[in-house]
Amino acid sequence: DVKVTQSSRYLVKRTGEKVFLECVQDMDHENMFWYRQDPGLGLRLIYFSYDVKMKEKGDIPEGYSVSREKKERFSLILESASTNQTSMYLCASRTVRTGGLPYNSPLHFGNGTRLTVT
Amino acid sequence: QKEVEQDPGPLSVPEGAIVSLNCTYSNSAFQYFMWYRQYSRKGPELLMYTYSSGNKEDGRFTAQVDKSSKYISLFIRDSQPSDSATYLCAMSGGYSGGGADGLTFGKGTHLIIQP
Repeated sequence: DVKVTQSSRYLVKRTGEKVFLECVQDMDHENMFWYRQDPGLGLRLIYFSYDVKMKEKGDIPEGYSVSREKKERFSLILESASTNQTSMYLCASRTVRTGGLPYNSPLHFGNGTRLTVT
Repeated sequence: QKEVEQDPGPLSVPEGAIVSLNCTYSNSAFQYFMWYRQYSRKGPELLMYTYSSGNKEDGRFTAQVDKSSKYISLFIRDSQPSDSATYLCAMSGGYSGGGADGLTFGKGTHLIIQP
């Protein structure tokens, strides 16, 4: 089974702090993703990475950055946390080795990090 | 018009009932369809993954795709209280479908199975 592990289940940070969210997957997946999930808004893509050291902006990248120095690890960074970044953050990964286009492979999610910024 | 529509619920049914969860979509390029189950305060878990039209069965779960109507369904037989969760549909069609990740998600249906 694919395992996607997010380092923290719950985090409470103060406004203006720099926040690091860590994600590790154990299946050698090429693609990794960060989403946030808010009531009524569903899943929104923040950033994704096709492979090591590669990153692409998603739909809502403002206020976030990412780092992928190793294939198994994808970090989300909140440069200066704000209260509107209080949310559930979900990391996901997928393989591109099943043949065909990578978009056809399903995502595997971690259990999420509930971040509260006060 | 939103690309994927999913009734948020809550949908409340008695234990043992057959549950039908549905999504409609507008993008005819979608070919791959997924259902995820998400328990409260947990990440989404992949339940079903299907390609094109037709049915796929896995235990008590059946996924159905009708591409002509742009309609997908997830049926749960002999529903249990442990099936209480939010169910998300997702779909992709290769480079021509979905957002930057190639996927378009519904916002989820909250399902409650009453003991």
